[in-house]
Amino acid sequence: QVQLEQSGTDVKRPGASVRVSCKASGYNFISYDINWVRQAPGQGLEWVGGTSPYNGNTSFAQKFQGRVSLTTDTSTSTVYLDLWSLRLDDTAVYFCARDPRPCAGECSSPGWFDAWGQGSLVTVSS
Amino acid sequence: IVLTQSPATLSLSPGDRATLSCRASQSVAHYLAWYRQKPGQAPKLLIYDASNRAPGIPARFTGSGSGTDFTLSVSSLEPEDFGVYYCQQRNNWPLTFGGGTRVEVK
Repeated sequence: QVQLEQSGTDVKRPGASVRVSCKASGYNFISYDINWVRQAPGQGLEWVGGTSPYNGNTSFAQKFQGRVSLTTDTSTSTVYLDLWSLRLDDTAVYFCARDPRPCAGECSSPGWFDAWGQGSLVTVSS
Repeated sequence: IVLTQSPATLSLSPGDRATLSCRASQSVAHYLAWYRQKPGQAPKLLIYDASNRAPGIPARFTGSGSGTDFTLSVSSLEPEDFGVYYCQQRNNWPLTFGGGTRVEVK
């Protein structure tokens, strides 16, 4: 079955950077885009960005442009979210989620999400 | 695109019918999904493209609507149906989520 396993809790100082990992299993990894969605404490869901493991293409929400990257290690079926210049309001649970369309790099439109990781809590605190 | 969900909270009993609304600030055609999230868990996909139930989702969940107005109906609430429901549009970048409707036990 499709599984997305994320890295654990992290605590960072303002201005630092964080890396969150998402290891996929149970399906053909490179054919399906992986997206990241975050949820601040007690708040709703916010899309951060997405990537195609097939060709490495990425897209990001404008508010994160310039301080976020997504990289893929196809040998381990893992996607990494890097976020730097952390601020207090970056404190959130970060989820990775799979787009169920077998895009293989060809999808130009946003998707929806049929499988989610368990979430990784990133706390930014001075 | 801003998605506005209403009501913010629904207080219902098991066996009741739930009707949730999601309104878009501009047309999203039929490109709308619904998720349910329980405390401490990731969201779970219920409906995609307005009216398609995700695999394994029971028939008591029905999605409808197009353009700017969408509805998720749950015909008879089961204990596991209580939680927060989110809509999500994929008609335009960036994809966006609604603010959520909490379905709580009355």
